[in-house]
Amino acid sequence: QQPVQSPQAVILREGEDAVINCSSSKALYSVHWYRQKHGEAPVFLMILLKGGEQKGHDKISASFNEKKQQSSLYLTASQLSYSGTYFCGTAGRVGNTPLVFGKGTRLSVIA
Amino acid sequence: EAQVTQNPRYLITVTGKKLTVTCSQNMNHEYMSWYRQDPGLGLRQIYYSMNVEVTDKGDVPEGYKVSRKEKRNFPLILESPSPNQTSLYFCATSLSAGLPNYGYTFGSGTRLTVV
Repeated sequence: QQPVQSPQAVILREGEDAVINCSSSKALYSVHWYRQKHGEAPVFLMILLKGGEQKGHDKISASFNEKKQQSSLYLTASQLSYSGTYFCGTAGRVGNTPLVFGKGTRLSVIA
Repeated sequence: EAQVTQNPRYLITVTGKKLTVTCSQNMNHEYMSWYRQDPGLGLRQIYYSMNVEVTDKGDVPEGYKVSRKEKRNFPLILESPSPNQTSLYFCATSLSAGLPNYGYTFGSGTRLTVV
């Protein structure tokens, strides 16, 4: 079942913060986050595993709330280079479970 | 250099003319998959393969075929392409899908237009 991402799109000025959410109706084992710039392939950012750990990647971090079956991606002090479409991918259990991707959140950072 | 190579990058073809999009990886990854990306729909999985000679349908397999005869290659075959298969296609690989602890590496994409 496809996870639901929100918001669908967001526009930020440089230096502002943003949060992108990814929710599933099924129990989650892991959540992946990817960023795709226009005309390019998606690029892996990070994985969060069951257990609620938070991870960071430069000024981009994420959390995983197992009880709510939700992950959030936090972008702080946004830069122009953060522009792109962010996808979450979810896996429901260990073992032979390909990721199911959300529809994506388009992030535009303007000067 | 570790990479996933997709060919061709762009393809325009006519309805009904069989075509193959190739995907090759040099990372010894077990897992390979094909996605199509359409505006507003995100990435939808067509087929995937957990290892050599093992393939499974994804969410939108109709009109597509795949094979995994060697670990490094996972071609996508459209036996009789139709205009509704016009899309951006990505191959993605991972060390193992059995343990979703590894990120996916995507190929550079193939933009297919069927007229």
